[in-house]
Amino acid sequence: DQQVKQNSPSLSVQEGRISILNCDYTNSMFDYFLWYKKYPAEGPTFLISISSIKDKNEDGRFTVFLNKSAKHLSLHIVPSQPGDSAVYFCAAQWVQGAQKLVFGQGTRLTINP
Amino acid sequence: DAGVIQSPRHEVTEMGQEVTLRCKPISGHNSLFWYRQTMMRGLELLIYFNNNVPIDDSGMPEDRFSAKMPNASFSTLKIQPSEPRDSAVYFCASSLTSGGSRYFGAGTRLSVL
Repeated sequence: DQQVKQNSPSLSVQEGRISILNCDYTNSMFDYFLWYKKYPAEGPTFLISISSIKDKNEDGRFTVFLNKSAKHLSLHIVPSQPGDSAVYFCAAQWVQGAQKLVFGQGTRLTINP
Repeated sequence: DAGVIQSPRHEVTEMGQEVTLRCKPISGHNSLFWYRQTMMRGLELLIYFNNNVPIDDSGMPEDRFSAKMPNASFSTLKIQPSEPRDSAVYFCASSLTSGGSRYFGAGTRLSVL
């Protein structure tokens, strides 16, 4: 039972354009969402997060949007750079109670020069 | 701090053999997590410890898997006997608190032939 789903295993974007990575979740108890970035042969590293009381959080070139009614979040990268090529994991958790951080399958983003 | 340290980085073994993966969390972190990454399911939480005590092992696939944390600076994940379907990348992560930001190690790539 995949509670966090990233339906696109891969995405290819031209340098300078916008990259949009999508994530859907099924559990309405989730109230905190995170994006992690992973380079080959390295562990995932935290990128950006959003609380369920917000619908948008921005950090430089990275913006995360949350649509609670649709149980959907997205990560926008503008402009995309070659160094953004990596696997991106969406994750969700309950702030109170359980400390389980549930991850999606990941989306491999390739930025083409 | 050197971050979360995992060893070995790569492990190739034959079916039926015992495999032990090791993890040294970041000093001062109270929570430790073991994850498994596969193409189909992404990052799955296997077990997590809080103050060296296993809190939730519901993600451990079967009795062949066991994890220990004898002290605050060391944890092991053991698979005995190993099977080809155990082939995956295993990540260890630590956090200051059980709900805090996770810091991941570089992972151990396990291949069971």
